Amino acid sequence: KNEVEQSPQNLTAQEGEFITINCSYSVGISALHWLQQHPGGGIVSLFMLSSGKKKHGRLIATINIQEKHSSLHITASHPRDSAVYICAGPLYGGSQGNLIFGKGTKLSVKP
Amino acid sequence: DGGITQSPKYLFRKEGQNVTLSCEQNLNHDAMYWYRQDPGQGLRLIYYSQIVNDFQKGDIAEGYSVSREKKESFPLTVTSAQKNPTAFYLCATHARTAPYEQYFGPGTRLTVT
Repeated sequence: KNEVEQSPQNLTAQEGEFITINCSYSVGISALHWLQQHPGGGIVSLFMLSSGKKKHGRLIATINIQEKHSSLHITASHPRDSAVYICAGPLYGGSQGNLIFGKGTKLSVKP
Repeated sequence: DGGITQSPKYLFRKEGQNVTLSCEQNLNHDAMYWYRQDPGQGLRLIYYSQIVNDFQKGDIAEGYSVSREKKESFPLTVTSAQKNPTAFYLCATHARTAPYEQYFGPGTRLTVT
């Protein structure tokens, strides 16, 4: 069983829809990163959370440490949001860059 | 602008040949990491280095080697001992202080035939 599980694996939405991607983890992660991978392969960091909620533009990330669960929400989705979204986290006591990754959620937003 | 560069973007090699992937950063970050990405799988850690002249094996280090002679550079050699080298390789660093923002290079797609 993967230590970091994402759902759904694939998601197709119409432009303007509200989108939720979920991430559950079974290991002790000290913080959770949400990453975005574009079709060309490049990855950018969206959020790092250790508690609560963060918002950046149309993106909102939440985390519940007790339940070991995080969600990424996209409001008013747009075709340019089409990408693979990955959650990842470093184990407690480990290096901050030694991350355990989910397999990613592939999002496609249709105009 | 600061960032991570990886070259080349696409690399083709014949089976049995060693190949070295380049990773350079001008972010002044101490730690550097190499990940491998295969279709349908999460990224997996190959090697990492937290300081010049020191590096540690990650989860899938067999068949790979690295060096860290300069802070800015962390090249990865895929040796002929790597059983399944065809993959997408990503180099990464992270900020020194919280929230330890992650930075990734554009990646190198290696195809071995």
